Amino acid sequence: SQKIEQNSEALNIQEGKTATLTCNYTNYSPAYLQWYRQDPGRGPVFLLLIRENEKEKRKERLKVTFDTTLKQSLFHITASQPADSATYLCALQHDDYKLSFGAGTTVTVRA
Amino acid sequence: DTGVSQDPRHKITKRGQNVTFRCDPISEHNRLYWYRQTLGQGPEFLTYFQNEAQLEKSRLLSDRFSAERPKGSFSTLEIQRTEQGDSAMYLCASSLGGQRETQYFGPGTRLLVL
Repeated sequence: SQKIEQNSEALNIQEGKTATLTCNYTNYSPAYLQWYRQDPGRGPVFLLLIRENEKEKRKERLKVTFDTTLKQSLFHITASQPADSATYLCALQHDDYKLSFGAGTTVTVRA
Repeated sequence: DTGVSQDPRHKITKRGQNVTFRCDPISEHNRLYWYRQTLGQGPEFLTYFQNEAQLEKSRLLSDRFSAERPKGSFSTLEIQRTEQGDSAMYLCASSLGGQRETQYFGPGTRLLVL
């Protein structure tokens, strides 16, 4: 069966450190992989998209890697800030464009 | 605000009642999606539209659920004979379509079935 697994535990880190989130998947062949941020009671907000033929993508303090051999994506938040505290969702995009989401990892950044 | 809007934001209903939610996508977006999210889980795909055509429905979408997108603009999601298991956040998203399929989500409608 198809599975998308993100860090099962919530992540608590000190301000200024790097948060690293993991997204592993099985029985998928996604064309794209996306990361979204979700704050409590709100809809997800798009952060980054990476294609299957790309190894790494960066946007400001965010970095995403995509290894289709390992079937894994890593999401890094560098120089983390308390405002980065949220749930981060990994989503696999299929050829028919719908998204399949992981359960998310909750990140808390301590000042 | 030119983002995706949803109405109502919250709905409390009694089991067996019908409810209808509305989604207004970003105006130039031709694709519209509905997802359902329960506590501690990621959004689950329900259905999507390309303009006014409903192209795919998840098996999660039982016969009690129906979605429409008349004239390819706003969309409605109706749940008939609600059950307690329908309690969830219902999210709408829209996109331009094409290769860069970034979906823009609305704030969601939180449904509680008593």
